[in-house]
Amino acid sequence: AQSVAQPEDQVNVAEGNPLTVKCTYSVSGNPYLFWYVQYPNRGLQFLLKYITGDNLVKGSYGFEAEFNKSQTSFHLKKPSALVSDSALYFCAVRDITQAGTALIFGKGTTLSVSS
Amino acid sequence: DAGVIQSPRHEVTEMGQEVTLRCKPISGHNSLFWYRQTMMRGLELLIYFNNNVPIDDSGMPEDRFSAKMPNASFSTLKIQPSEPRDSAVYFCASSLVVTASSYEQYFGPGTRLTVT
Repeated sequence: AQSVAQPEDQVNVAEGNPLTVKCTYSVSGNPYLFWYVQYPNRGLQFLLKYITGDNLVKGSYGFEAEFNKSQTSFHLKKPSALVSDSALYFCAVRDITQAGTALIFGKGTTLSVSS
Repeated sequence: DAGVIQSPRHEVTEMGQEVTLRCKPISGHNSLFWYRQTMMRGLELLIYFNNNVPIDDSGMPEDRFSAKMPNASFSTLKIQPSEPRDSAVYFCASSLVVTASSYEQYFGPGTRLTVT
């Protein structure tokens, strides 16, 4: 069965420090992977995706993610965290059992950046 | 582009009443998704449409829930009768499948439903 896991419910980091939000996946074949961010009382916003090509993917707001096939991971990273990065982050993988664009979302990780 | 539009943004209703949530996807998108988000269960996919046709409704909780997409620019999610456990934020999302490089979904702002 396909799945995506976010092992940390919450990540705390000080402003200016690097941040990592972890994601691992389990799919058959080549994965299509995504990161979304949700600010309070808002819908999810697309950050970045990996389909193929370079393992390091750059996205919005200075975020990047590294695809690691051997470790089946797709961790979200940012070199220097901002207080405004505090939000709920979701990792997702395309559901290949369905035609089209259905995604399977992780449970989410709350990122808290302190000043 | 106006993005995905959902209405109403907030709905408070009494148990037993019918509730209809509305969604206008991004123009030109050919897939539409309805999600429900709660603290306890996280983000759940309820149903999704491809070219206005329901593809997978296995996430619909029970027969009280129904969804329609009469045309490419409009979809509804109906709950009849509503129950307090239906209280949640309901999101609509849309996407455009053109090539394998697409697939990202774009979410609306959500409808916060409270059933008393």
